[in-house]
Amino acid sequence: EPEVTQTPSHQVTQMGQEVILRCVPISNHLYFYWYRQILGQKVEFLVSFYNNEISEKSEIFDDQFSVERPDGSNFTLKIRSTKLEDSAMYFCASILAGEQYFGPGTRLTVT
Amino acid sequence: EDQVTQSPEALRLQEGESSSLNCSYTVSGLRGLFWYRQDPGKGPEFLFTLYSAGEEKEKERLKATLTKKESFLHITAPKPEDSATYLCAVQALRGGNEKLTFGTGTRLTIIP
Repeated sequence: EPEVTQTPSHQVTQMGQEVILRCVPISNHLYFYWYRQILGQKVEFLVSFYNNEISEKSEIFDDQFSVERPDGSNFTLKIRSTKLEDSAMYFCASILAGEQYFGPGTRLTVT
Repeated sequence: EDQVTQSPEALRLQEGESSSLNCSYTVSGLRGLFWYRQDPGKGPEFLFTLYSAGEEKEKERLKATLTKKESFLHITAPKPEDSATYLCAVQALRGGNEKLTFGTGTRLTIIP
């Protein structure tokens, strides 16, 4: 069964450093998303991406965040200068026929 | 602003004891209501999408129903492996494939 994959599973970084989280969406899906979940809180939308451009972004997705689809398979989320409050699980998702599938997540720990 | 409220926050059941989880929502035009299962430290696992009031979907011991204001996830004769957090989310009908807005989830524990 096709699935969304994410790397790394856990990333530890120091405050102020740049991180890149990677995702491989399901191959025939067209819409891609990043969400995050701070420990003990709800899943929150960050950004959606379609046809090689951002279609919607939340207030959380400020100038420190960017997304790219550098090739036909990968989808990345970059945080330019991490803050302590960026510590969370980051989930990639892709959608087909009304079903939005999530990856296993990357746990980002900012120290 | 789209809102999703789930109740109860936590539920403990004996194995075999059936119950229901509630998801109340407000959205300016519903494209779909989604149910997910989430295990600790994992990503949400897709269960169902419901699109219109009166619709029902079933999968093993789970059945999801939808009205114009809320959705229920009924769990029949649960087993310990059904223990997880169950998340409800709505997608608004605003053109394109909109983001999902999630509730805080119901943490379900099934006691053997």
